Amino acid sequence: KNEVEQSPQNLTAQEGEFITINCSYSVGISALHWLQQHPGGGIVSLFMLSSGKKKHGRLIATINIQEKHSSLHITASHPRDSAVYICAVRSRGFWRNQFYFGTGTSLTVIP
Amino acid sequence: NAGVTQTPKFRVLKTGQSMTLLCAQDMNHEYMYWYRQDPGMGLRLIHYSVGEGTTAKGEVPDGYNVSRLKKQNFLLGLESAAPSQTSVYFCASSYSTSGKNNEQFFGPGTRLTVL
Repeated sequence: KNEVEQSPQNLTAQEGEFITINCSYSVGISALHWLQQHPGGGIVSLFMLSSGKKKHGRLIATINIQEKHSSLHITASHPRDSAVYICAVRSRGFWRNQFYFGTGTSLTVIP
Repeated sequence: NAGVTQTPKFRVLKTGQSMTLLCAQDMNHEYMYWYRQDPGMGLRLIHYSVGEGTTAKGEVPDGYNVSRLKKQNFLLGLESAAPSQTSVYFCASSYSTSGKNNEQFFGPGTRLTVL
């Protein structure tokens, strides 16, 4: 059983399309993170959310704590957005230092 | 700032050999983590440290040991490597575990193959 589930696993889009990646989790959390892993392997943090919505450039992340669900949106997608997007949650309570990670969504944006 | 660095970037071991992976951060972060990433699975926490001189087990600690003798360094050791430890290993660090300072910064990864 995975504590964090992402969908879709793979996504191909045409340049300019609006993209949505979904993340559902089953544990109580103190924060949710969206990460980006480039083809070279490096991982960078895009967002950290504990409630509501955040926007950074063409990226928007939302979270619904009651439904235990988060979405990452990319507006006007570009080939440079091609990467694996990973959802991660930091659990609450005893295992508060534990992060649980989704398996990632592999996005390919075609020119 | 170099951020989080890892050495080596690649390594091939034979079963039973030992090695140490080094993680270094120059951001004065208290918290450091070692993860492994395997195909079809999310990142999994091996060990972590909440400060100099402290370490704790994560989700998949068996077969690994760690040490945090200096705040900026977190070492991951494999005493007797097994093929099941073939993976990509990522180190990460964060300033804290709460608030906006719990963002994790990741190293570039170490690709380890055990034959």
